[in-house]
Amino acid sequence: KAGVTQTPRYLIKTRGQQVTLSCSPISGHRSVSWYQQTPGQGLQFLFEYFSETQRNKGNFPGRFSGRQFSNSRSEMNVSTLELGDSALYLCASSFKKTGSYKNTEAFFGQGTRLTVV
Amino acid sequence: AQTVTQSQPEMSVQEAETVTLSCTYDTSESDYYLFWYKQPPSRQMILVIRQEAYKQQNATENRFSVNFQKAAKSFSLKISDSQLGDAAMYFCATGNEKLTFGTGTRLTIIP
Repeated sequence: KAGVTQTPRYLIKTRGQQVTLSCSPISGHRSVSWYQQTPGQGLQFLFEYFSETQRNKGNFPGRFSGRQFSNSRSEMNVSTLELGDSALYLCASSFKKTGSYKNTEAFFGQGTRLTVV
Repeated sequence: AQTVTQSQPEMSVQEAETVTLSCTYDTSESDYYLFWYKQPPSRQMILVIRQEAYKQQNATENRFSVNFQKAAKSFSLKISDSQLGDAAMYFCATGNEKLTFGTGTRLTIIP
């Protein structure tokens, strides 16, 4: 069974540009969550998608957005990049039942290391 | 909402010895899981062990076990027979709608 796949692994972007990160969850998992990890703020929740709908959102500006496709693959987009957006972006794949938020386990991808210069 | 506290920024243990990493949490949820994740230098977050809050029996996965004290909201991780490959950052986490993580404990294994 394939794990969670995130692409690309590394990105270098210039301030003001935009970037799109991709996450393919474990087969059968419909929940995909995104997290930002920085040395200063630790791991912070960005948003969760379940069956193509955003179900929950963290405290990030509107420059951070996402979407989920019918095959559960998810993309995260950051527009007008700032130096502070440099971070490791982690995607988590979870099996959650329809109508239930219960998080019984979450498996992470290897992350995308974004550097904004 | 939940909070997770890991009060040990760094720990070290001799190879083959046992080490315990501490974690306390607070949550308003009644039905939840608790998790320990390992993040080696490769940066991938690896699920080490999980505990369902309703289960009194402590979870065990090979050399990894937890001491779950629900009333005290404590969830510590015990690593037995420590190996060099156990060196990593360890994060405690909980949450249903979203995972809330502690600040992590950096574990060093001394050969």
